[in-house]
Amino acid sequence: AQRVTQPEKLLSVFKGAPVELKCNYSYSGSPELFWYVQYSRQRLQLLLRHISRESIKGFTADLNKGETSFHLKKPFAQEEDSAMYYCAPKNAGGTSYGKLTFGQGTILTVHP
Amino acid sequence: DTEVTQTPKHLVMGMTNKKSLKCEQHMGHRAMYWYKQKAKKPPELMFVYSYEKLSINESVPSRFSPECPNSSLLNLHLHALQPEDSALYLCASSQEWGAARPDTQYFGPGTRLTVL
Repeated sequence: AQRVTQPEKLLSVFKGAPVELKCNYSYSGSPELFWYVQYSRQRLQLLLRHISRESIKGFTADLNKGETSFHLKKPFAQEEDSAMYYCAPKNAGGTSYGKLTFGQGTILTVHP
Repeated sequence: DTEVTQTPKHLVMGMTNKKSLKCEQHMGHRAMYWYKQKAKKPPELMFVYSYEKLSINESVPSRFSPECPNSSLLNLHLHALQPEDSALYLCASSQEWGAARPDTQYFGPGTRLTVL
């Protein structure tokens, strides 16, 4: 069965500390992988996707096909990074081709 | 215009009411989506429209009735809802549904629905 797991529901760090939000997936084929972020009282927005291999707001995410993981990392967290983060694989085959499925989310709190 | 807009922002309705949610995008996207999001939970897909035709219905109860009048507009008609249907309803759009090439979904701010 297709599954995405974000093992940490809550993650707290201090400003300036490194942060890693974990995402593991179990999908057939090669799904496209996304991280979405939802800041307080703002819309859900794309943070980054694996295919672009880019760094947005200092965040990077590396796709590890061997471990089927797509962890989100930032070397120095900022208070404005506090938000809900969702890992979201997109089906790459089958009847649900193109369907985006969200993990349960990780609430990141960055303390001053 | 690079945004998905949704109206109304908030909606309170009784169980016997009929109301509609509206979503609009002017990015030329041919796929549009409805999601339901309960508090502190991830969005759950409800419907997908591709080129104004319903492509996916994730076994949503018939009291939710989607409509895509044209490529820029998506409606969700609500009738005889239950209190447990109270949630944030999100609309999203993307270039194409099920495209072989990379495709990103862009979300609207949502309509917060309360069913009394």
